[in-house]
Amino acid sequence: NAGVTQTPKFQVLKTGQSMTLQCAQDMNHNSMYWYRQDPGMGLRLIYYSASEGTTDKGEVPNGYNVSRLNKREFSLRLESAAPSQTSVYFCASSEVTSGGKETQYFGPGTRLLVL
Amino acid sequence: QKEVEQNSGPLSVPEGAIASLNCTYSDRGSQSFFWYRQYSGKSPELIMFIYSNGDKEDGRFTAQLNKASQYVSLLIRDSQPSDSATYLCAVKGPTYNFNKFYFGSGTKLNVKP
Repeated sequence: NAGVTQTPKFQVLKTGQSMTLQCAQDMNHNSMYWYRQDPGMGLRLIYYSASEGTTDKGEVPNGYNVSRLNKREFSLRLESAAPSQTSVYFCASSEVTSGGKETQYFGPGTRLLVL
Repeated sequence: QKEVEQNSGPLSVPEGAIASLNCTYSDRGSQSFFWYRQYSGKSPELIMFIYSNGDKEDGRFTAQLNKASQYVSLLIRDSQPSDSATYLCAVKGPTYNFNKFYFGSGTKLNVKP
């Protein structure tokens, strides 16, 4: 049981390049999330997917697209990277516990540097 | 106004003392409250969650929730140097965004030997 996995762990891009961050979970969770974390800013939600086949914007979606490929996988795409997208990106998935409450678990993160 | 507010710290406590971390949130409709610990360069790790008013204890950790005051706290008893980390408060279920989690910017805790 690997939990939430992310690839790559680290990436350097030039301005204007594109890339896709991959995320997979093996916990059979319905909901998945992409966050970015910048110094002093906490975690900010980029996109989330409440279930397979659905995606919704979070607080900071501009410049990103997502795909919920199946229940396990949720990818984040940067079509034209900008220096402002230099950040640490975390994927998360959540489970509904007994009583209908929801708890979230994080992957190890991807450090992205855009030059 | 941010959904979740935390003092950024750093909060410094001596080893063996009680560390008290605080968090306020803006939406009275929020349903679930979480504390995550994040070591430098690592991902957030869930350490406590609380849904009802009052206290919830798990080992050296106690989470306290006061919905009337819109206030969540985390107490760490017998603090250890290994507790030195950033602690993130998270809130889920604002009434207008039920599926979303909102995070504070974190409080950095330093436990001095």
